[in-house]
Amino acid sequence: NAGVTQTPKFQVLKTGQSMTLQCAQDMNHEYMSWYRQDPGMGLRLIHYSVGAGITDQGEVPNGYNVSRSTTEDFPLRLLSAAPSQTSVYFCASSSGTLSNQPQHFGDGTRLSIL
Amino acid sequence: GENVEQHPSTLSVQEGDSAVIKCTYSDSASNYFPWYKQELGKGPQLIIDIRSNVGEKKDQRIAVTLNKTAKHFSLHITETQPEDSAVYFCAARYSGGGADGLTFGKGTHLIIQP
Repeated sequence: NAGVTQTPKFQVLKTGQSMTLQCAQDMNHEYMSWYRQDPGMGLRLIHYSVGAGITDQGEVPNGYNVSRSTTEDFPLRLLSAAPSQTSVYFCASSSGTLSNQPQHFGDGTRLSIL
Repeated sequence: GENVEQHPSTLSVQEGDSAVIKCTYSDSASNYFPWYKQELGKGPQLIIDIRSNVGEKKDQRIAVTLNKTAKHFSLHITETQPEDSAVYFCAARYSGGGADGLTFGKGTHLIIQP
């Protein structure tokens, strides 16, 4: 029972590099989201999706792109990494198309931008 | 948008005693209030949630209370055990401005003293 799987678990990038954080869920959930967690800041919503082909911005979307071509996958792209994007990134999914259902989180990707 | 304040940031209690964590929210339209437990190196895990049409909910040693008038909600853990040591986050669902996601508090580090 995999749940929400995030890869990689750790990554170090140089400023200006690009990369994609992968997120996959096997629960047939419609709602998926990306959060970043910074010390003393809690979790903040970056982007979310209510189903394949539909994405929308959260609280802190700048510098990140997402797409949702399948129900299972919701990758997060950093086009040109900046030190301010050093953080722990969590992907979550839930049933339904609203955020008022229990969110299932992955174990995170720890990203450092030098 | 929604703003969630969480107190205290650190809470140390003796094993067997009770622990209470409090949160306030700003948007009276918020209608879903989950609590998450996060252990080191892991993603947040839902432990209990409450909706705005309910004042209190219990699950074994854990309870959550909601005061809609005062816009605050609290997590109560009774008979604390060492495995309760973790960081706890409250959250509130917001759906204003076209976005739909959770706003998290900044977390409470709960320490259970043996």
